[in-house]
Amino acid sequence: GAGVSQSPSNKVTEKGKDVELRCDPISGHTALYWYRQSLGQGLEFLIYFQGNSAPDKSGLPSDRFSAERTGGSVSTLTIQRTQQEDSAVYLCASSSGYEQYFGPGTRLTVT
Amino acid sequence: AQSVTQLDSHVSVSEGTPVLLRCNYSSSYSPSLFWYVQHPNKGLQLLLKYTSAATLVKGINGFEAEFKKSETSFHLTKPSAHMSDAAEYFCVVNNNQAGTALIFGKGTTLSVSS
Repeated sequence: GAGVSQSPSNKVTEKGKDVELRCDPISGHTALYWYRQSLGQGLEFLIYFQGNSAPDKSGLPSDRFSAERTGGSVSTLTIQRTQQEDSAVYLCASSSGYEQYFGPGTRLTVT
Repeated sequence: AQSVTQLDSHVSVSEGTPVLLRCNYSSSYSPSLFWYVQHPNKGLQLLLKYTSAATLVKGINGFEAEFKKSETSFHLTKPSAHMSDAAEYFCVVNNNQAGTALIFGKGTTLSVSS
């Protein structure tokens, strides 16, 4: 079946601009996660959605980062006023249990 | 608090020789442990997982890992490396509750030479 999809696959933006990254989870998965993979920092958790519960935002690095999940399915990660240190691969994962299934990621480059 | 330490940032082996990627974990709970692989420009793929069943876990592509609670280790092994095994490998832990964020190790790059 279809896996987790993310769009765009690559995004180049100028410093100070806002960006939106999209994640389509596997149908029926109630949990959705955003992670960031950057050089020197490894893979770090950003935010987690579970059903209709309030999201766990404990991993967001600053208030420029926000995410929403509409209708318990698609999620959008928004980064406002992008900075060069935001350059990374942003990964989305969905889950219905212990195992998380990852999307291919969005590579964000801030120039 | 939970954490994962991958003891080698880079491992190089020859094709046909054994692979050992080392991982130690720290967890206040009975953990679930995973190994993920990431090939260049591709997404993360689950190799295998331990969730408190058998301590020796077999995964895809001939990989296996053994959970050793006394040593807090979860090392990944394969008897004979293939060129296609060259990739980044991540040891991962969570607190054994479905629906919690994964804690990733820094990764080990596996190089395989012919």
